[in-house]
Amino acid sequence: KNQVEQSPQSLIILEGKNCTLQCNYTVSPFSNLRWYKQDTGRGPVSLTIMTFSENTKSNGRYTATLDADTKQSSLHITASQLSDSASYICVVTYNYGQNFVFGPGTRLSVLP
Amino acid sequence: KAGVTQTPRYLIKTRGQQVTLSCSPISGHRSVSWYQQTPGQGLQFLFEYFSETQRNKGNFPGRFSGRQFSNSRSEMNVSTLELGDSALYLCASSLRGWNEKLFFGSGTQLSVL
Repeated sequence: KNQVEQSPQSLIILEGKNCTLQCNYTVSPFSNLRWYKQDTGRGPVSLTIMTFSENTKSNGRYTATLDADTKQSSLHITASQLSDSASYICVVTYNYGQNFVFGPGTRLSVLP
Repeated sequence: KAGVTQTPRYLIKTRGQQVTLSCSPISGHRSVSWYQQTPGQGLQFLFEYFSETQRNKGNFPGRFSGRQFSNSRSEMNVSTLELGDSALYLCASSLRGWNEKLFFGSGTQLSVL
């Protein structure tokens, strides 16, 4: 079954600290993997898109990694800010871009 | 450049009614896709339109339908509303398709009473 799992389900960190969110998938054949940030009551905003050949992609303080062999991705947030408080959703596209699966998301809370 | 605009922002309906949601994509974007988001199920894909044609469809009943106009604006209709249809409905636009970077609107929060 094509699935995307994310961990942890929720995370609380202090402002200025780093954190890493995980995304594991079972889909095949893999097309690309995207990370989105969704503030409460708003639509998701794209952070990164990675294809099979890309291992790392950065967007400011956000760095995503992809290991296509183990079917794992991580999103690392450096020097967290209060505005990083949001849900982070991993989306994996497969079957030559014809299908995709959303992960359940990780809820991050950054406290002062 | 204006973002994706969804109207209305909030909507309250009763069971059995129907509802139409509107989405105006970013200028130049020809692909519009719709999603349902609930706390229990997360984000789920409804359908995608490109150049006025439905190109992809998720696993939702026929009560959920949509269309796209020549100016790329899209509408989504839900008939015979059920309590379980209460959700945040999001639309996203992109230049050519859902396999590239998507730009989401803020969504329409639908409550079915």
